[in-house]
Amino acid sequence: DGGITQSPKYLFRKEGQNVTLSCEQNLNHDAMYWYRQDPGQGLRLIYYSQIVNDFQKGDIAEGYSVSREKKESFPLTVTSAQKNPTAFYLCASSVSSGSNEQFFGPGTRLTVL
Amino acid sequence: QKEVEQNSGPLSVPEGAIASLNCTYSDRGSQSFFWYRQYSGKSPELIMSIYSNGDKEDGRFTAQLNKASQYVSLLIRDSQPSDSATYLCAVNRGGPQAAGNKLTFGGGTRVLVKP
Repeated sequence: DGGITQSPKYLFRKEGQNVTLSCEQNLNHDAMYWYRQDPGQGLRLIYYSQIVNDFQKGDIAEGYSVSREKKESFPLTVTSAQKNPTAFYLCASSVSSGSNEQFFGPGTRLTVL
Repeated sequence: QKEVEQNSGPLSVPEGAIASLNCTYSDRGSQSFFWYRQYSGKSPELIMSIYSNGDKEDGRFTAQLNKASQYVSLLIRDSQPSDSATYLCAVNRGGPQAAGNKLTFGGGTRVLVKP
């Protein structure tokens, strides 16, 4: 089955630690995105990548880093510099031409202890 | 002013009635508009996309776009308890062929369908 997978589903982090969230897709989509959702709020864009080895900052990139070494994978690292990392993290992808619809993975819920 | 605004609700609707959700946006250059449904604790699911002024129907859902007034709406006909969710409006400056552009989301409208 084609789709987007994110792991882990739940993640607990101690203050001062870096953690990496995984996002993998087998849809052959070129573009991938990371969003953050806080309780009762909409989604905010962290980073996005339109092609392999290239990515751009979104609206709230501070304290986060990404890489795009493979078309299928777009991992997000939440660094200790991120002041308030507790949130629901969502990865999405879209095709490179013909449509700009974005489809989401199941998400990772990160809690800082 | 927020870039994309929605009434947070909750919008309480009797089963079988029509739920009407509104969304306004500030960027006049926006070309693509989306409605996502998000159940509690789950990720957003795309239910409608609209690019041209007017109505677009898909099953019990109708999206309406008015670029001159900068609003997009979603109608849910014959509302069912399973429609109870938060509905997110999202806007993209790029057109339908422009992949890779970022989405700007509203805060969502919570809908409760009561049996």
